[in-house]
Amino acid sequence: DAGVTQSPTHLIKTRGQHVTLRCSPISGHKSVSWYQQVLGQGPQFIFQYYEKEERGRGNFPDRFSARQFPNYSSELNVNALLLGDSALYLCASSWGIFMNTEAFFGQGTRLTVV
Amino acid sequence: AQSVTQLGSHVSVSEGALVLLRCNYSSSVPPYLFWYVQYPNQGLQLLLKYTTGATLVKGINGFEAEFKKSETSFHLTKPSAHMSDAAEYFCAVSPPRRTDKLIFGTGTRLQVFP
Repeated sequence: DAGVTQSPTHLIKTRGQHVTLRCSPISGHKSVSWYQQVLGQGPQFIFQYYEKEERGRGNFPDRFSARQFPNYSSELNVNALLLGDSALYLCASSWGIFMNTEAFFGQGTRLTVV
Repeated sequence: AQSVTQLGSHVSVSEGALVLLRCNYSSSVPPYLFWYVQYPNQGLQLLLKYTTGATLVKGINGFEAEFKKSETSFHLTKPSAHMSDAAEYFCAVSPPRRTDKLIFGTGTRLQVFP
């Protein structure tokens, strides 16, 4: 069985540019969450989507947006990139919306902003 | 606000020795509690979780954790360390009134020496 897949695995962007990160959940999972992990820190919650609707949002600026498609895959978009946006972006999928159902994480997308 | 504190950003043990990674949370109501492991250049893997019921939770790879409400702790232990246990370990909580996200600690890097 395929796990959570994220693309691309690495990318380098310039300040002010826009980036789109993609996530495919495990088959049958309807919830996708996004986390930002800055080097040396724990992951920080950005968004959760369930059944194509936003169900939770963390303390991130409006430059961050996301959406979930009918096949439950998801995109995370970041506009006007800043150096501080450099991080590992993790996607997690789960069957249900609540955290007592196990969340499976992808390997992440390493974003470097120069 | 919910928070998680992991005491010790680095822990070193000898192979075969006891592993003890500390985690304390702040909450007036017991949240859901999790331990995740992250190997280099990989995503997060769930080791174990506590939601309700038995306070001693057994996980994968011989790890276990005990929920102690009086101490607001959820320390991770393993009786005998193996070289393959070397990784970053994250404690996380799911707030009792918000079950759509995980709040992670800053992580503890475990080194295992032969």
